[in-house]
Amino acid sequence: DVKVTQSSRYLVKRTGEKVFLECVQDMDHENMFWYRQDPGLGLRLIYFSYDVKMKEKGDIPEGYSVSREKKERFSLILESASTNQTSMYLCASSVGSANEQFFGPGTRLTVL
Amino acid sequence: AQRVTQPEKLLSVFKGAPVELKCNYSYSGSPELFWYVQYSRQRLQLLLRHISRESIKGFTADLNKGETSFHLKKPFAQEEDSAMYYCALSGHGSEKLVFGKGTKLTVNP
Repeated sequence: DVKVTQSSRYLVKRTGEKVFLECVQDMDHENMFWYRQDPGLGLRLIYFSYDVKMKEKGDIPEGYSVSREKKERFSLILESASTNQTSMYLCASSVGSANEQFFGPGTRLTVL
Repeated sequence: AQRVTQPEKLLSVFKGAPVELKCNYSYSGSPELFWYVQYSRQRLQLLLRHISRESIKGFTADLNKGETSFHLKKPFAQEEDSAMYYCALSGHGSEKLVFGKGTKLTVNP
């Protein structure tokens, strides 16, 4: 069974704080993804990584950065959190192209 | 541009009734299409993909290239089918998925 884990289920931060969301997968997948999930907007891709140290912007990268130093770990960074970044953040991993993505349980981030 | 449209935000049916969740897509080549499901308090997971042509939990989906649709159907809905359903598209050779905005299905007793 593929396991994708995220460091926190719930997180509350203040405006302007630097926020780190961590994601780890244990199936040696080369692709990893960060999405935002908002009601009425569905899932929107923030960033994608297809290999260690490789990244590609998704549809809504503004205000976010990512880091992938090891194959199993993909971090999402909010350099200066803002209230409009309050959301559910989902991490996913996959292998190859056009294949099933496996999702983590999500981190619900609230920025006050 | 790749786009996935799910026209219904909310869909409510009674137990035992047929259910159809609509999905239309825009893509110039041959896409890979998926349905993902998220049950309450569970993680998002793959329900089915068109290439496998399987029936999962009684659900089927047929790719209609002429109508650019990939509707999800089940002849007799069950209460446990209540969930959020997302249609998703992957372009040929792409690792990424483009998701629709989702349809929340409620199956009433």
